[in-house]
Amino acid sequence: KAGVTQTPRYLIKTRGQQVTLSCSPISGHRSVSWYQQTPGQGLQFLFEYFSETQRNKGNFPGRFSGRQFSNSRSEMNVSTLELGDSALYLCASSQQPDSPYGYTFGSGTRLTVV
Amino acid sequence: AQTVTQSQPEMSVQEAETVTLSCTYDTSESDYYLFWYKQPPSRQMILVIRQEAYKQQNATENRFSVNFQKAAKSFSLKISDSQLGDAAMYFCAYRSPPQKLVFGQGTRLTINP
Repeated sequence: KAGVTQTPRYLIKTRGQQVTLSCSPISGHRSVSWYQQTPGQGLQFLFEYFSETQRNKGNFPGRFSGRQFSNSRSEMNVSTLELGDSALYLCASSQQPDSPYGYTFGSGTRLTVV
Repeated sequence: AQTVTQSQPEMSVQEAETVTLSCTYDTSESDYYLFWYKQPPSRQMILVIRQEAYKQQNATENRFSVNFQKAAKSFSLKISDSQLGDAAMYFCAYRSPPQKLVFGQGTRLTINP
């Protein structure tokens, strides 16, 4: 059974550009969450999707957006990139949004903004 | 807002010894879940163990066990017979549905051969 797949693994972008990150959840998992991980702020919640609907949103500016497709795959987009957006972006999936079994995480996309 | 605190930024232990990682949390909820995740250099967060708040019995998974003290809001992880492959960042996390998973700042565990 394939795990959570995130692409690309690494990304370098210039300030002001936009970027799209992709996440394919485990087969059968319909809930997808995104987290930003930085050395200073730790792991911060971005958003959660279930059945193509955003269920929860973290405290991030509107430059951060996401969506989920009918096959449960999810994308997140960051527009007008800033240096502070450099981080590891982790995607996690679960069968249901409130699963007591926790999430299965991907290996993340390392975004560097220069 | 719920918060999770890991007071030990770094810990080290000799191979085959036992180590305990500390975690405390703050919540007014009565129904919630607690987790320990491991993040090796590969970056993937791996679920180590979980605990439902309504269960008094401490969870155990092979060499990993927790000491869950609900009244004290404490959730420590004990790793027995430490192995080199246990070296990683360990994150304590809390969730009270439908809210998001909240993580602590992490503890870097080093295993000395």
